Amino acid sequence: NAGVTQTPKFQVLKTGQSMTLQCAQDMNHEYMSWYRQDPGMGLRLIHYSVGAGITDQGEVPNGYNVSRSTTEDFPLRLLSAAPSQTSVYFCASSSVYMRTGRHFNTGELFFGEGSRLTVL
Amino acid sequence: KQEVTQIPAALSVPEGENLVLNCSFTDSAIYNLQWFRQDPGKGLTSLLLIQSSQREQTSGRLNASLDKSSGRSTLYIAASQPGDSATYLCASGSSNTGKLIFGQGTTLQVKP
Repeated sequence: NAGVTQTPKFQVLKTGQSMTLQCAQDMNHEYMSWYRQDPGMGLRLIHYSVGAGITDQGEVPNGYNVSRSTTEDFPLRLLSAAPSQTSVYFCASSSVYMRTGRHFNTGELFFGEGSRLTVL
Repeated sequence: KQEVTQIPAALSVPEGENLVLNCSFTDSAIYNLQWFRQDPGKGLTSLLLIQSSQREQTSGRLNASLDKSSGRSTLYIAASQPGDSATYLCASGSSNTGKLIFGQGTTLQVKP
């Protein structure tokens, strides 16, 4: 059981370059999310999704795009990398077992191992 | 704005001591509260999940409590061991926004 798989684990970019961080889960989880972790800032939510075709913004969405065409995959795209995007990125997923209109309740959150990105 | 605060930022205790980590949240409409462990250079591992209708959860030497009225959760670690050394993070999920927001974590060192 692979759980949540992130690729690549390490990446160095130059300012202005674009790239995609991949995230895949094999637990049939509806909820998937991306966080970035910076020293002294904790984990901050970038984007999240409660199912295929549904995405929403988190706390720090600027400079990032996401899409959710399948239940399994939730890629994070950096459109034009900036040094401020140097960080460790984590993908996480969980089940969604209650949904009332916009509100939902997720279960235990499972994390990938992280992707360390450096932008020069 | 949904905010989560963890105090202290760092804690050092001798082996065998019982300890309490604190988590405060501003959103009274949370749907759950989760505690995680993070080892250096690694991802997060879920320790305990407390639903909004629950008061506490227990797993082995760990016990987490939830008091929605005061906006607080605590993680109690009994008989601490050097292997418990890690960063512990809490996260609250909002019923209004659907977002899971993390505190900055408490880094625990248990000395042999």
